[in-house]
Amino acid sequence: DTGVSQDPRHKITKRGQNVTFRCDPISEHNRLYWYRQTLGQGPEFLTYFQNEAQLEKSRLLSDRFSAERPKGSFSTLEIQRTEQGDSAMYLCASSSGLFSYNEQFFGPGTRLTVL
Amino acid sequence: GDSVTQMEGPVTLSEEAFLTINCTYTATGYPSLFWYVQYPGEGLQLLLKATKADDKGSNKGFEATYRKETTSFHLEKGSVQVSDSAVYFCALLNAGGTSYGKLTFGQGTILTVHP
Repeated sequence: DTGVSQDPRHKITKRGQNVTFRCDPISEHNRLYWYRQTLGQGPEFLTYFQNEAQLEKSRLLSDRFSAERPKGSFSTLEIQRTEQGDSAMYLCASSSGLFSYNEQFFGPGTRLTVL
Repeated sequence: GDSVTQMEGPVTLSEEAFLTINCTYTATGYPSLFWYVQYPGEGLQLLLKATKADDKGSNKGFEATYRKETTSFHLEKGSVQVSDSAVYFCALLNAGGTSYGKLTFGQGTILTVHP
């Protein structure tokens, strides 16, 4: 299966700790998105990469959040000094092609629990 | 800004019943509209889409028509199965302006189908 993969699938951490998540998009997909989903809500956009360039960030992405996509392949999302409000499912999606409305393929997500 | 509103859930139906999940949206320009489905323990999957007014998206017996005059994209299925039990998300993608294809989701509707 060559779908979008995310690691880890679950992360439990204590408040104040730093965490890092990884996303491997579908090979050759140039577009990569991060979303956050809290319980009972739909996913909310966090940030977008086109190849290695981070082109859009949501105001939800506070200074404690940073994302990278070196060489335009996998991406990492780091949260520094985690807070209980950061507890959520973090979803990664990728798509390809020239058109922004091309289908986004989602990974299984990383569930973060901050104690 | 853009927003999507789905009918309140959860929705509980008997097998072979008719399904409607309402979705309305607010957006500038001409967004593309999507229904995503999340089966238990799995990631988000695209169910169907429509990219312009009066388009009908269809897949696996589900249908939705892009109604610009009522800003709606209601999901319907004539005869649901137990295997359709999942969470359904309506979403829009506004490719205009500086948007790079981020999806704006509704809050999701939980569907449970009993035998």
